[in-house]
Amino acid sequence: GDSVTQMEGPVTLSEEAFLTINCTYTATGYPSLFWYVQYPGEGLQLLLKATKADDKGSNKGFEATYRKETTSFHLEKGSVQVSDSAVYFCALSKKNTGNQFYFGTGTSLTVIP
Amino acid sequence: EAGVAQSPRYKIIEKRQSVAFWCNPISGHATLYWYQQILGQGPKLLIQFQNNGVVDDSQLPKDRFSAERLKGVDSTLKIQPAKLEDSAVYLCASRRNDLSTDTQYFGPGTRLTVL
Repeated sequence: GDSVTQMEGPVTLSEEAFLTINCTYTATGYPSLFWYVQYPGEGLQLLLKATKADDKGSNKGFEATYRKETTSFHLEKGSVQVSDSAVYFCALSKKNTGNQFYFGTGTSLTVIP
Repeated sequence: EAGVAQSPRYKIIEKRQSVAFWCNPISGHATLYWYQQILGQGPKLLIQFQNNGVVDDSQLPKDRFSAERLKGVDSTLKIQPAKLEDSAVYLCASRRNDLSTDTQYFGPGTRLTVL
């Protein structure tokens, strides 16, 4: 079945460090791919998305490129800030399954000053 | 535009008790989802509604969980009776019924603790 595998955390980085969180997926057809972020005590917020191969989603300095050949959607940011501390979830959805989301297990990021 | 509203935000109950959660989606969003997020895991879909009809409830433990969306707007998720393993955050999400978008918008969740 469809699934998402995320790199395990937690991840701790110093401010201004480079961030990569790996995400790979298994799915038939042509899923859309998402990164959601969950700040402490809050709900999930859409960070970025890509709907087809080679698309790049970007927002708030974060980027991810939909790579069909490697079935990946890795999240990157060139210089993290303390305010980026949160849990990051990779997810996929497909129109032919009612756009149901399949989430990864989440990666906790802590950025220290 | 107002976001997805959920209540209560927190609930603590004893096992075998009943509990209900409420969700009001974004205005105009025809599709509504309930997810269960156990600590340390990603959200898992429990049930999906399209207007007031159920699209997918294959992962809903129907012996104890029920959900309804009678008027196609707000929705209630109930657990009766609760078990210890039901301790989790219950997330509600909504989406426009529009082929141009597949983005879901999430509420803040209800954190349930079963003692």
